[in-house]
Amino acid sequence: ELKVEQNPLFLSMQEGKNYTIYCNYSTTSDRLYWYRQDPGKSLESLFVLLSNGAVKQEGRLMASLDTKARLSTLHITAAVHDLSATYFCAVWNSGNTPLVFGKGTRLSVIA
Amino acid sequence: EADIYQTPRYLVIGTGKKITLECSQTMGHDKMYWYQQDPGMELHLIHYSYGVNSTEKGDLSSESTVSRIRTEHFPLTLESARPSHTSQYLCASSHYEQYFGPGTRLTVT
Repeated sequence: ELKVEQNPLFLSMQEGKNYTIYCNYSTTSDRLYWYRQDPGKSLESLFVLLSNGAVKQEGRLMASLDTKARLSTLHITAAVHDLSATYFCAVWNSGNTPLVFGKGTRLSVIA
Repeated sequence: EADIYQTPRYLVIGTGKKITLECSQTMGHDKMYWYQQDPGMELHLIHYSYGVNSTEKGDLSSESTVSRIRTEHFPLTLESARPSHTSQYLCASSHYEQYFGPGTRLTVT
């Protein structure tokens, strides 16, 4: 059974600092997704990572995938308040089964 | 941009009422999903469908039911609403990438 673990679950960071959110998963997969959710809103797609070594960047966020280690990272560079949100990773399970989501990382960027 | 719609966006209803939450998508996706999420918490998959006349229960036991008579439409019904059903309900659809609707925030008094 595929399990997805994110850490940390809560993260309070200062503006201007760098930090990394980790997403580990338990069985082989070569497709991983990152989503952002603002309070009271729905999920918005950030990145789709489709192969080992994939790296994608958008603004201050960079996501990478290491399928051998079963690990994806979401790196935040020089955090700003607007990045405060909950970030979810989701892993594609082989076959015809739904995505498995992590529990989310609630990020708060403070001045 | 994803074209997936949910109505109503907000609903306050009394205990015992029957309600249907609507979800439609215009992308022609075969796969559709319903999630339940309390504020700031993890997502719980309650139902999914991989095509017309195909529905499956998800990981979280739910008193709701779903139907999939048309590809673009995946409504969720609660026969008798209870305060424990108070939550946000998110609909999603996918081909390779999964897109989410704006959600329905349900309050049962």
